[in-house]
Amino acid sequence: KQEVTQIPAALSVPEGENLVLNCSFTDSAIYNLQWFRQDPGKGLTSLLLIQSSQREQTSGRLNASLDKSSGRSTLYIAASQPGDSATYLCAVIQGAQKLVFGQGTRLTINP
Amino acid sequence: GAVVSQHPSRVICKSGTSVKIECRSLDFQATTMFWYRQFPKQSLMLMATSNEGSKATYEQGVEKDKFLINHASLTLSTLTVTSAHPEDSSFYICSARGDRDLAYEQYFGPGTRLTVT
Repeated sequence: KQEVTQIPAALSVPEGENLVLNCSFTDSAIYNLQWFRQDPGKGLTSLLLIQSSQREQTSGRLNASLDKSSGRSTLYIAASQPGDSATYLCAVIQGAQKLVFGQGTRLTINP
Repeated sequence: GAVVSQHPSRVICKSGTSVKIECRSLDFQATTMFWYRQFPKQSLMLMATSNEGSKATYEQGVEKDKFLINHASLTLSTLTVTSAHPEDSSFYICSARGDRDLAYEQYFGPGTRLTVT
C-alpha cells in the first residue's frame, strides 16, 4: 500500500527566505507526482505536476524535483512571500488513477 | 481551462436528512470523477471513483448506501449523503479528469463544507 509522508508538518520562516518542502513515497511505481496548495477552508490549487519520466518542473518561484528510484520529491520555493502561507500537499498517482496524498506541510511566512 | 465547480459551498442540515452535493466540469468532459473527504487539519482521503455511466468504485471502509454517487453525464457527478449524522460533518472535495489528459492530472473543485446538527 502506497504511503506518502511530508516533512516537516509545519514550517515558519521570515519573508524572503528560500525553503524546501519534502515528500517521500514508499512505492516507486507511480505515474506522476503533484504538488498542491490549499488555503484554509478552500479547495486545492495544483502547483506542479511531474510525470514519472521527468526529473523536475518549474513554475515561477517554484521548482519541484522527483527522484522516483529513491521515492522522494522536493518543492523549492524561492524568495518566499507572506502570500505563500498555506498548506502544501504532495500526492502521487498510481494505477487506477488514484491520488494518494501526504499529510501536508503547513507553511507560514512571517512579514 | 479545466475548471471544476461544486455546489453548494456550504450546507447545514439536521441529523437524519439527506444532502446532495454537485460537482461539475465546466469546460471539459470528465470521464472520471473522484470524491474526497477531509477532516480538520488532515489530508484528503479518497472516498470513491466514478466513471460516467457506470457504478462508482468505493474505497474500503466507505459505506456505499450512505454515500450515493451518480455520474450520469460527462460534466456532472453528485454525492448524496443519506441519513446524515454529526460524524458526517466534513469538507467534501471532488476532482475530475478528462480523457484527453494523458498525464492523469485531476482538477479539483473548491469543496463543500457539510455541517450536520
